[in-house]
Amino acid sequence: DTAVSQTPKYLVTQMGNDKSIKCEQNLGHDTMYWYKQDSKKFLKIMFSYNNKELIINETVPNRFSPKSPDKAHLNLHINSLELGDSAVYFCASSQDLRGETQYFGPGTRLLVL
Amino acid sequence: AQSVTQPDIHITVSEGASLELRCNYSYGATPYLFWYVQSPGQGLQLLLKYFSGDTLVQGIKGFEAEFKRSQSSFNLRKPSVHWSDAAEYFCAVGAQDTNAGKSTFGDGTTLTVKP
Repeated sequence: DTAVSQTPKYLVTQMGNDKSIKCEQNLGHDTMYWYKQDSKKFLKIMFSYNNKELIINETVPNRFSPKSPDKAHLNLHINSLELGDSAVYFCASSQDLRGETQYFGPGTRLLVL
Repeated sequence: AQSVTQPDIHITVSEGASLELRCNYSYGATPYLFWYVQSPGQGLQLLLKYFSGDTLVQGIKGFEAEFKRSQSSFNLRKPSVHWSDAAEYFCAVGAQDTNAGKSTFGDGTTLTVKP
């Protein structure tokens, strides 16, 4: 059983397009996150949700819109994709907000041409 | 605000040699501390964590780390490195406050293992 899954694994698209990445966790966790890892492997948090409520929005452009239909899912929609959006996007989850262990998905490799 | 510094961007060791990866953190109270490993093309996997109690914690794959409050450090060690340990290693600090909702990651250390 995959604890945290993301789809798609790879995404290649043109500038200006709109795309979505889906994330699901089957761990029963309350909190989910989106991270962006750039080409230098720096890992930066973008968003966190707790019980479907937005908790953290780390000055991410409003072209990025997370959506949490239920606490097991946190999807990321990106409008008007730019070259600089090319990165690996990781979804993660944790039991709750208390800064505990995070469980990461395998990542979605986004390439914007 | 919490922060994490991993002073070594890249470390190369020979297979069988010992390893120490450095991590320094900044946090106002007792933090949660983590080491994660990322193998090429993979997501991050937890190696070990410190929440409280014994300052020497054991993790998976033969790794250990020691929390030193006086030095604000949480260095990762392994007595004998295997070629499969080549990966990216991230130190992270999490807030024990409720509603914090955030762990801060260091910039990572790339480990290369020479045969």
